[in-house]
Amino acid sequence: ETGVTQSPTHLIKTRGQQVTLRCSSQSGHNTVSWYQQALGQGPQFIFQYYREEENGRGNFPPRFSGLQFPNYSSELNVNALELDDSALYLCASSPGLAGRGEQFFGPGTRLTVL
Amino acid sequence: AQRVTQPEKLLSVFKGAPVELKCNYSYSGSPELFWYVQYSRQRLQLLLRHISRESIKGFTADLNKGETSFHLKKPFAQEEDSAMYYCAHYNQGGKLIFGQGTELSVKP
Repeated sequence: ETGVTQSPTHLIKTRGQQVTLRCSSQSGHNTVSWYQQALGQGPQFIFQYYREEENGRGNFPPRFSGLQFPNYSSELNVNALELDDSALYLCASSPGLAGRGEQFFGPGTRLTVL
Repeated sequence: AQRVTQPEKLLSVFKGAPVELKCNYSYSGSPELFWYVQYSRQRLQLLLRHISRESIKGFTADLNKGETSFHLKKPFAQEEDSAMYYCAHYNQGGKLIFGQGTELSVKP
């Protein structure tokens, strides 16, 4: 069984640029959630995808967008990057419609915005 | 707003001492609560959930609805318990809400 994978591991961008982060869910999982973890903070929910549809969104502006593909892998896109977007971005997958039960996390992508 | 509060950013104990990591939540219904752990250089992983009532690696956590708490306890801390611990629960929208985390440092 393959766990959740994320790419890239690290990324450096400048203000105003756009970035795409990728996540492959664990085998058999059809729900993917994305979180932002700033330094010294707990993960903050960005949004969730279930069977290719957005299924809930946290308190993040529209320049944070996402996609889920038929194989349940997912992308997080951030436009017009700001310095405060520097954080660890975590992807988590779960079987079935999430909202209950364990979520399985990837190793994260460290984004630095200069 | 539904939230999870972990009042201690850092908890330092000696090996063999009891440890209690505090977690308080605000939720009007019946919460589903979790403790996640992140060991050094490892990914975030589930430690335990209140519905299973399990003891994992010697840790237990009891849901106290009156005090809206879900404190994590272990009677005798080990050095390998040193890690970041996050309390979390699902909000009414079914989204996982995390506390800020407590760093547990177990000294030899």
